Amino acid sequence: ETGVTQTPRHLVMGMTNKKSLKCEQHLGHNAMYWYKQSAKKPLELMFVYSLEERVENNSVPSRFSPECPNSSHLFLHLHTLQPEDSALYLCASSQSDRWLTEAFFGQGTRLTVV
Amino acid sequence: DAKTTQPNSMESNEEEPVHLPCNHSTISGTDYIHWYRQLPSQGPEYVIHGLTSNVNNRMASLAIAEDRKSSTLILHRATLRDAAVYYCILRDVNNAGNMLTFGGGTRLMVKP
Repeated sequence: ETGVTQTPRHLVMGMTNKKSLKCEQHLGHNAMYWYKQSAKKPLELMFVYSLEERVENNSVPSRFSPECPNSSHLFLHLHTLQPEDSALYLCASSQSDRWLTEAFFGQGTRLTVV
Repeated sequence: DAKTTQPNSMESNEEEPVHLPCNHSTISGTDYIHWYRQLPSQGPEYVIHGLTSNVNNRMASLAIAEDRKSSTLILHRATLRDAAVYYCILRDVNNAGNMLTFGGGTRLMVKP
């Protein structure tokens, strides 16, 4: 248990569905991140939030929409996804966005788009 | 962030020490060296980090070359639970925002 909780752990959705991934941390961290991990590819940084403001949007398609309502919660809203978006989506948090301190990752949501 | 190079995979026997190398020849003076590992079906977890001096913690040791162009993560006694992908990452303390990049890492296999 890392202190970062992601739900759901597994999700199967059709290409016309709308779903949301949730991430929660009660570690008192100020920065939260979404990463994508596709099969046989390195982790790709998608979004960075620092003090609830988005500070990085790494050329992610608009069908992925992040939301950070407070410093403890991070969402990734999904709509009209493609099969190639199937991947493990990982949330992480750290004390600050400078990564000088340890970052904590959740266990991820395994997403399958059919 | 500067690039790192790691072997794709390594094997080790249980109970033996493991030395995982990382080359970072373009490292800058303000780059910290971080190591994370990812166990099967888990998110990555922090292992250790350092700047210039060697570092020890309960999980591992980090040996940093004098010129800082390479480093080695040392697991003193490998266990089956240490089988994971190990990532060596450089992080510039002066770089506001975050473009932290995970490379392919080294897949460590531990044989009983």
